[in-house]
Amino acid sequence: SAVISQKPSRDICQRGTSLTIQCQVDSQVTMMFWYRQQPGQSLTLIATANQGSEATYESGFVIDKFPISRPNLTFSTLTVSNMSPEDSSIYLCSAIFDRGLSYEQYFGPGTRLTVT
Amino acid sequence: RKEVEQDPGPFNVPEGATVAFNCTYSNSASQSFFWYRQDCRKEPKLLMSVYSSGNEDGRFTAQLNRASQYISLLIRDSKLSDSATYLCVVNSVGGGADGLTFGKGTHLIIQP
Repeated sequence: SAVISQKPSRDICQRGTSLTIQCQVDSQVTMMFWYRQQPGQSLTLIATANQGSEATYESGFVIDKFPISRPNLTFSTLTVSNMSPEDSSIYLCSAIFDRGLSYEQYFGPGTRLTVT
Repeated sequence: RKEVEQDPGPFNVPEGATVAFNCTYSNSASQSFFWYRQDCRKEPKLLMSVYSSGNEDGRFTAQLNRASQYISLLIRDSKLSDSATYLCVVNSVGGGADGLTFGKGTHLIIQP
């Protein structure tokens, strides 16, 4: 399996502030993603982090609220901007690894965000 | 109809028993299928891919039924450590995670 690390692992933030989450993968990957998972809910894809170009956002998510960087093939950041209590969630970084005949997708340990 | 549907459970199963649960998907063009396991307050972890021919990994067996559009996961000789939420994941667009659809998960509780 792959190693994906995230930091911070958790944070408590005040509304109106921003938090940047970092994701590091232990090998070069083409595709990295950011998900959100709220308690008792399924994972929701926020965006695909593209190396060398702007991220591709899913419906309901915009760059101004969730700016993403992908400076190289092993690292990405997600910023949650101008936070509100509704942004409280677990944010997960993910990457796809090519295993030849198939691919496998792994997740980082998540960042638990609480906005007060 | 939801794209990927799972019985949320919880399934309460005595230790040592065999348990199976299904996941149905709505898109007949779906190409890849996976089972993930997610422990409480942890990230999802890939349990196994589901191939057309089915596959087995120790006590775990996954099968795909394209005609009826469901995948199944069977756990034999269940252990207390098998208690978790099992997520069904379906890829409906070739290759990338943008086509991945996650079920809401089936909660499994193995009881001593």
